[in-house]
Amino acid sequence: NAGVMQNPRHLVRRRGQEARLRCSPMKGHSHVYWYRQLPEEGLKFMVYLQKENIIDESGMPKERFSAEFPKEGPSILRIQQVVRGDSAAYFCASSAMTGGENEQFFGPGTRLTVL
Amino acid sequence: KQEVTQIPAALSVPEGENLVLNCSFTDSAIYNLQWFRQDPGKGLTSLLLIQSSQREQTSGRLNASLDKSSGRSTLYIAASQPGDSATYLCAARMIKAAGNKLTFGGGTRVLVKP
Repeated sequence: NAGVMQNPRHLVRRRGQEARLRCSPMKGHSHVYWYRQLPEEGLKFMVYLQKENIIDESGMPKERFSAEFPKEGPSILRIQQVVRGDSAAYFCASSAMTGGENEQFFGPGTRLTVL
Repeated sequence: KQEVTQIPAALSVPEGENLVLNCSFTDSAIYNLQWFRQDPGKGLTSLLLIQSSQREQTSGRLNASLDKSSGRSTLYIAASQPGDSATYLCAARMIKAAGNKLTFGGGTRVLVKP
């Protein structure tokens, strides 16, 4: 059973370009979470999605950031018109059920560098 | 608003010494608390998950305790080895928070010197 997969592992973009980060949850998991780790900082929650629904996006910046988890395919975190401050590691996690007792399993992360 | 704090931010010990890592949280209404290890430039490896009803969890040289009433968790690593050098993160999952999100501490960066 493969773990949470993220791609690409490293992404370089110039200011103003778009970044698309993909996350495939563990098999059988229908809950996906995105977290961001800025340099020298801890991880901060961004968004929680279930299939075709955004449940909690309280940690998402109001502009330029969006996330989706379609019925088929991976979850996508999209950053439009990237700026240098978007440079960070973006981690995806998945869980099997919605209960708070359930463990989240993390992917290896995508490291975004904005030039 | 839940706040999770880890002190110290960095710790250096000689090989063989026991490690004690602290995590405190302001809101005791948690489902569970999880400890992770993160190596430089890498992802998160889950070490231990303690449910709110539990007092401690053990795995090999690792032991984590949870005291909800005082808002504290401690990770003990016995007989430290250079391979234990990494950043250790704790994260709490709150009952009141919508979305099952984890609130992370800032981490403790550990260096075990041979």
